Amino acid sequence: DADVTQTPRNRITKTGKRIMLECSQTKGHDRMYWYRQDPGLGLRLIYYSFDVKDINKGEISDGYSVSRQAQAKFSLSLESAIPNQTALYFCATSERGGVGNEQFFGPGTRLTVL
Amino acid sequence: AQSVTQPDIHITVSEGASLELRCNYSYGATPYLFWYVQSPGQGLQLLLKYFSGDTLVQGIKGFEAEFKRSQSSFNLRKPSVHWSDAAEYFCAVDPPYGAGSYQLTFGKGTKLSVIP
Repeated sequence: DADVTQTPRNRITKTGKRIMLECSQTKGHDRMYWYRQDPGLGLRLIYYSFDVKDINKGEISDGYSVSRQAQAKFSLSLESAIPNQTALYFCATSERGGVGNEQFFGPGTRLTVL
Repeated sequence: AQSVTQPDIHITVSEGASLELRCNYSYGATPYLFWYVQSPGQGLQLLLKYFSGDTLVQGIKGFEAEFKRSQSSFNLRKPSVHWSDAAEYFCAVDPPYGAGSYQLTFGKGTKLSVIP
């Protein structure tokens, strides 16, 4: 079984709809992250969480919100989706106290906003 | 602010040829350095990492990378490319412990195409 899972894997929605992307992990890591990937722009950090009560904005948090329901679960919400939020979204985890910040990625969610 | 530059957006090589993907970073101290690979339709997989010590690091799938402090570079290499290496490659950095925010900053990626 995959260590970091994301649901759904693909989603098509319409402008103005509320969307939630979910991430679960079985690695026992404290830290979780949400990124979006756009062609030619690499990965950009949306939000990150170092534990259940510690949530921080990343580089591009506008239009997004997150919820850390448990150590193993970290959800990303688009309150009112817009077309320029069409992208590939990745969840990642890392271990607190580890040397460096090696991150482990889920398979991604491809979101299309019409 | 730290940044990561991958100068080559797209590289095409013949199968069996050697490969070098470039990565440069701008940061005062030596950061932790990573290379990830993203195969089509897949998530990111760690190829290798550098924290300290020997500047030539070996990774999975026959890849290696060399850290050069004087050039602020961490270039990825493979002696002989296989068709299955066609993917997008990302360099990432994280500042050393106590100096940063425990986030990874990613380059924009280099897409590798392999000609049979």
